[in-house]
Amino acid sequence: SAVISQKPSRDICQRGTSLTIQCQVDSQVTMMFWYRQQPGQSLTLIATANQGSEATYESGFVIDKFPISRPNLTFSTLTVSNMSPEDSSIYLCSVAGGSSGATNEKLFFGSGTQLSVL
Amino acid sequence: QKEVEQDPGPLSVPEGAIVSLNCTYSNSAFQYFMWYRQYSRKGPELLMYTYSSGNKEDGRFTAQVDKSSKYISLFIRDSQPSDSATYLCAIGGDYKLSFGAGTTVTVRA
Repeated sequence: SAVISQKPSRDICQRGTSLTIQCQVDSQVTMMFWYRQQPGQSLTLIATANQGSEATYESGFVIDKFPISRPNLTFSTLTVSNMSPEDSSIYLCSVAGGSSGATNEKLFFGSGTQLSVL
Repeated sequence: QKEVEQDPGPLSVPEGAIVSLNCTYSNSAFQYFMWYRQYSRKGPELLMYTYSSGNKEDGRFTAQVDKSSKYISLFIRDSQPSDSATYLCAIGGDYKLSFGAGTTVTVRA
């Protein structure tokens, strides 16, 4: 399984500001995924980040709000822009561990970023 | 209707008891069935993975899948306080993974 380092682990931010979350993997992976975990709710996929192409966003998530970078096969960032209290959540980076790297196989997660927006 | 339904609990059991966790799903195309364990302030950790109906054991953990009923279970035998965590089921297929909301389990010493 991949070792995934995510930072910051937590942050408290002011409304209207932006926060960039970093995700580093100890091996090269084709696809990296960003999830949001709100209290009492299931993990929700925000977007899939492929190296060398634009991220693919799920319904309800847009690039202007959650810009993603994927400069190489071991690193990705997610920015939460123009934050509001509704963005308070845990944000998780993950990579696929299956043979095909597809999203339907095993996922391994970073330790998450606990974001609180005041 | 949610694709994956999971009783959020919370569930509190004495040490040594059997913990039983369940999820139901609606999409018969789902092929992969997983259970994750998430400790407080940590990311989910893959616990069990299977792609077929039946039982799979790993130490004190047993994952059970019934595709005909669209029902999966996780059993934890001889539960320990260190098993206290949130358990999430995850079901995938057709290039999509859907998670349950998680069941919070507390094992009392």
